[in-house]
Formats: sequence, C-alpha cells, structure tokens
Amino acid sequence: AQSVAQPEDQVNVAEGNPLTVKCTYSVSGNPYLFWYVQYPNRGLQFLLKYITGDNLVKGSYGFEAEFNKSQTSFHLKKPSALVSDSALYFCAVRDMHYGGSQGNLIFGKGTKLSVKP
Amino acid sequence: DTGVSQDPRHKITKRGQNVTFRCDPISEHNRLYWYRQTLGQGPEFLTYFQNEAQLEKSRLLSDRFSAERPKGSFSTLEIQRTEQGDSAMYLCASSAGPRRHLNTEAFFGQGTRLTVV
Repeated sequence: AQSVAQPEDQVNVAEGNPLTVKCTYSVSGNPYLFWYVQYPNRGLQFLLKYITGDNLVKGSYGFEAEFNKSQTSFHLKKPSALVSDSALYFCAVRDMHYGGSQGNLIFGKGTKLSVKP
Repeated sequence: DTGVSQDPRHKITKRGQNVTFRCDPISEHNRLYWYRQTLGQGPEFLTYFQNEAQLEKSRLLSDRFSAERPKGSFSTLEIQRTEQGDSAMYLCASSAGPRRHLNTEAFFGQGTRLTVV
C-alpha cells in the first residue's frame, strides 16, 4: 500500500534560520509527490510537486524540496524562515494503485511549523 | 483564494439530521475530489469524479453518504442521518487533465466544517 510519513508532529525554528520539514514515502513505481500548506481554518494551498527530472524542486513562497529516491524522502526546505511561514504542512503522494485511474492524494498527518521572532 | 469555493463554511446540525454541502470547482477542471479531515490528521480521500462520472468511492464513504456532480460542474455531498463521528472538515479539490495524466496538482477549497451535536 502506498503511504506517506511525516515523522515530526511539530518543528520549531527561529526566524531567519533555515527550516526542514521531513517526509518519507512508500510507493510501488515512480512517485508523484506534493507539498501543501494549511493555515488555520483554511483549505490547503499547493506549494510544489515532484513528478520527474531535477531532484531539487522549487515552489511558492521561497520553499523548495529535495527528492531522494534512495532514501525515499521528499523533505521540504527554506533557507530563511519567516514568522508568516507558521502553519501546518502536509506531504502527499499520488495514489497510483489502480493504474492511475483515480489520482487522489494520500496525505501524511501533517507537521506544525512554528517560527518564532 | 484558489478558485474552488465551498458552501457553507460552517454547519452545525443535530444528530440524525441530513446535511448537504456544495463545491464549485475551477471552471475548466474536469476532476473533482472530496476529502474529509479530522483534527490532527491529514485529509482522507472520500470520492472522485471525472466530469460527471463518479469513478471511485473510498471505504470511508458509508451508505449514509452520497455525492453527485450533475453536468460535470458543481458537486454536492450529502450526509444522511448524521452521527457525531461525522464531525470533520469536508474539503473539495479540483484538477485538470485527461484521465491518465496525473501530474497536475489539485486545488482545494476552504472546506466546510461540520459539527454534529
């Protein structure tokens, strides 16, 4: 079964410091991976995706993610955190179980990022 | 604002009542998904439409749940005989592309928060 794991419930970072939010995946075949951010009482906003190509993917708001096939990881990173980055971050993998006929996303449990001034 | 709108944003209902939620996807998107998100969890897939056809339903979607997408435009999700366990955020998402092209990201609405008392 395909799955995504976010091993940290919460990540605390000081403003201006680099941040990393971890994600590992388990899929059969090549993964389609996504990161979303959720602010309180809001829906999910798309940040970036990895489909194929360069392992370093750049996305919205200065975020990037590194795909590592050997470690089955897709960690989200940002060189310099902002207080406004504080939110809930979700990693997701596209469900390809039925040969691609669904396309629904399988999400991790989320990681709460807290950036302090 | 992602362009996906959901109505209502909040719904409080008594146990045993029926509720209906509406989702208006981005107009050119042919794929529409419903997810459910409970506190502390990532969104879980409920059902998927390709145009007006409902192609997949999760085991989470009991027989009290029904979804429609008439004419391949807006969608409704109805819950009959609500239970306290139905309390959650119900998220709608849409994406574009042919059925076999799954590299496109999904755009989420702000969700409908259901509270069953």
